[in-house]
Formats: sequence, C-alpha cells, structure tokens
Amino acid sequence: DQQVKQNSPSLSVQEGRISILNCDYTNSMFDYFLWYKKYPAEGPTFLISISSIKDKNEDGRFTVFLNKSAKHLSLHIVPSQPGDSAVYFCAARPRTDSWGKLQFGAGTQVVVTP
Amino acid sequence: SQTIHQWPATLVQPVGSPLSLECTVEGTSNPNLYWYRQAAGRGLQLLFYSVGIGQISSEVPQNLSASRPQDRQFILSSKKLLLSDSGFYLCAWSRSGANTEAFFGQGTRLTVV
Repeated sequence: DQQVKQNSPSLSVQEGRISILNCDYTNSMFDYFLWYKKYPAEGPTFLISISSIKDKNEDGRFTVFLNKSAKHLSLHIVPSQPGDSAVYFCAARPRTDSWGKLQFGAGTQVVVTP
Repeated sequence: SQTIHQWPATLVQPVGSPLSLECTVEGTSNPNLYWYRQAAGRGLQLLFYSVGIGQISSEVPQNLSASRPQDRQFILSSKKLLLSDSGFYLCAWSRSGANTEAFFGQGTRLTVV
C-alpha cells in the first residue's frame, strides 16, 4: 500500500527555469514531510522539510508547499541548475511514529538541460 | 559533525552465500538507525529500525536480519542470499525526537548471482 505517491517518474526542465515536483499522500496522520535528492550510486541527501503546521518552507532555491486539505505537497527549484539533475524523493512520517520511520515515494528523475 | 559510514560500496555474492553489511555513525550518541532498500525503479523501503543497542524492529518479512551490537553500529545480515535480495541497501540515522530528518550512508549495491 503506497501511502506516498510521486506520479511523475521523470521531469525535464531547461536550465534557469523552474522545476516543480509533486507528491501526494493518502495517510491523514502524516505530519512531517521531507524531500531528498539522490545521485546514482549514492545515498539520498536531505534537501528540505515541512511540518503540517506550515504551508510553505523556503531554503535558498528550494521551496516546499504543503496543501493539507488536498494531501499534496510540491517542491519548487528556482532557478534550475545542471547539478540539480538527480532523482528526488518525497518522504513522510506520521505523528504517531516516535522512531523517525519515513515512508518514501518512488521518486522523480529530474533532468536539467542547457 | 556527524558522519555515517557504510561498506562495502558494491558486492556480488552467489545465491545461498551469507551476507554482512556494516554501518557505523560517528559524532552522535544514541541515534535511531535504519536499513532501507531501493529496488530498481522503486522508492526506498524500510527494512529494519533500531532505537537502541539490541533493539531491532522489522518492517517487512524477509530473508534478512539486523543487529545492533554497539550504540553506533548497525549490521544487516543474511544466512543464505536469494536472487530477490539484489538491490541498493542504505543505512541511515536520525536523532531521537519529532520532526528530525534522516541522514543516509553512501549505500551498498548488492548483486546476487
């Protein structure tokens, strides 16, 4: 039962433009959401997170938006750079979990073209 | 600063052979520790987590086991590997408490032949 869904397996964007990655979830108990970036043959690196008490969190070129009523979050990368080409994972954790266990989406492959 | 080490980076093992992957964390104490697996084209699946020495919880039934002999050491094992155990294995740690991110090791690419 996939509770975190990234329905776009891939995204191609021109350098300098905005990348928008989407993520949907089904578990209303999720209250903490994270985005990770992963290069091939490496572990994921943490990008940005948001708790359910907020609807937006910004860190440099990365902004995460949370729409709790729609159970939807998105990651905006502006401007996109060639080094942003990677797989991006959305992850979530329920408020009932005390142990930091994360549920991940299947990932979106982003390719930034010159 | 905290660092996480995971080895080996790649491993090719025959079916039926044993497995031992090791992960250590430096620069923190009493971390939560995790083993995840990424199958081809899929997200990260949590296999095991541990909140303390000797405390292991399994998320999915499988051919693998985990152990935590020391506070900052987490080991993933199998007595007899199956072809379906092939994948990319990731160790991670997080601090105790709410709203903390997990930090991942570099991963181990396991191919069972």
